[in-house]
Amino acid sequence: DAMVIQNPRYQVTQFGKPVTLSCSQTLNHNVMYWYQQKSSQAPKLLFHYYDKDFNNEADTPDNFQSRRPNTSFCFLDIRSPGLGDAAMYLCATSRGGSIAYEQYFGPGTRLTVT
Amino acid sequence: SQQGEEDPQALSIQEGENATMNCSYKTSINNLQWYRQNSGRGLVHLILIRSNEREKHSGRLRVTLDTSKKSSSLLITASRAADTASYFCATDAGGNQFYFGTGTSLTVIP
Repeated sequence: DAMVIQNPRYQVTQFGKPVTLSCSQTLNHNVMYWYQQKSSQAPKLLFHYYDKDFNNEADTPDNFQSRRPNTSFCFLDIRSPGLGDAAMYLCATSRGGSIAYEQYFGPGTRLTVT
Repeated sequence: SQQGEEDPQALSIQEGENATMNCSYKTSINNLQWYRQNSGRGLVHLILIRSNEREKHSGRLRVTLDTSKKSSSLLITASRAADTASYFCATDAGGNQFYFGTGTSLTVIP
């Protein structure tokens, strides 16, 4: 059974047109992450939620926002996508705590910007 | 950047051979993890080693950690074609944040 689900798997948007990617989990994990991964590169952490606490990475552009309305769901909003935002977006979850645990990843959403 | 570096960037071996990849990182860590990523897919957790551990095994995987050198290695023994993937190390320095290394692309030739 899928534990971290991302929808859609493929998303095409136009330059400057807002887009939302979604992630849901059945693991009841405290922490949810969003990563951006460009071709042949490492996943880059954009931000994460520990429960309702939002933690933004210092170099994440303001164009990227996130919402976590409840434990199960987390959304990535790209307010004005540019061509450079075309990438695979990965959602992950983790138990969280004073020590870190392994992350569980979704299959990713591949975003194309035209 | 807190991103680690891995070497080699790419590795090609024959089935049955061992594959070794290395990860170096910059800051003190609580733990280090290794992940596998098949082409165009999400990442799969392989093994976690904590900063007070030096070596860990899981099936055909062996991970070492040298905190004095800020480095780790992943050894895959008796490789199989199905091991073909990219392998990433990820470090946790606290705060539940993970930073991934640059990755090693492994090709196992049948």
